[in-house]
Amino acid sequence: KNQVEQSPQSLIILEGKNCTLQCNYTVSPFSNLRWYKQDTGRGPVSLTIMTFSENTKSNGRYTATLDADTKQSSLHITASQLSDSASYICVVAYSGGGADGLTFGKGTHLIIQP
Amino acid sequence: NAGVTQTPKFRILKIGQSMTLQCAQDMNHNYMYWYRQDPGMGLKLIYYSVGAGITDKGEVPNGYNVSRSTTEYFPLRLELAAPSQTSVYFCASREAFRQETQYFGPGTRLLVL
Repeated sequence: KNQVEQSPQSLIILEGKNCTLQCNYTVSPFSNLRWYKQDTGRGPVSLTIMTFSENTKSNGRYTATLDADTKQSSLHITASQLSDSASYICVVAYSGGGADGLTFGKGTHLIIQP
Repeated sequence: NAGVTQTPKFRILKIGQSMTLQCAQDMNHNYMYWYRQDPGMGLKLIYYSVGAGITDKGEVPNGYNVSRSTTEYFPLRLELAAPSQTSVYFCASREAFRQETQYFGPGTRLLVL
């Protein structure tokens, strides 16, 4: 069964600090891995998308890594800001699915404290 | 562009009532989706459409129906609402040849009592 596991479930850090969120998956055959940011009361917004051949991808202060061999990904946030408070969702797509074959993680709830 | 819009933002239903959740997109996207997000859980696909007149079931379609008469609109119908349908519903869309970029609406929060 395709699964996406995220850790930690929740995280509180001080403004300005860095943090790393983890994602492990058992989706096959793998197509791509996405990280979304979901603000409270809003829909998810795409941060990064990584294919099999990409190890690292950055979007401003967000850097995602992918290890396709161990089926792990991480999202690193540098110099956190209050606006980074949100849920971060890892989504893995498998190829061949008629509906894009997306498996969503439960998300990591991140709180940035001043 | 307004992107993906959803109405209403919040609704309370009694058990057995029915309602339609509205979704519209102004990006001329062929692909549209309906997801539900239960507290502490990942999004689950309810129904999707690859173009006007074409719809298909997702992972959790029971208790729902959809239609897609135009490219812009993709309404989700709940018949005989049940407490298990209490959730936040998200509509999303994407271009036909850009599988990786999905745009989500702001969501509809539904409470069935």
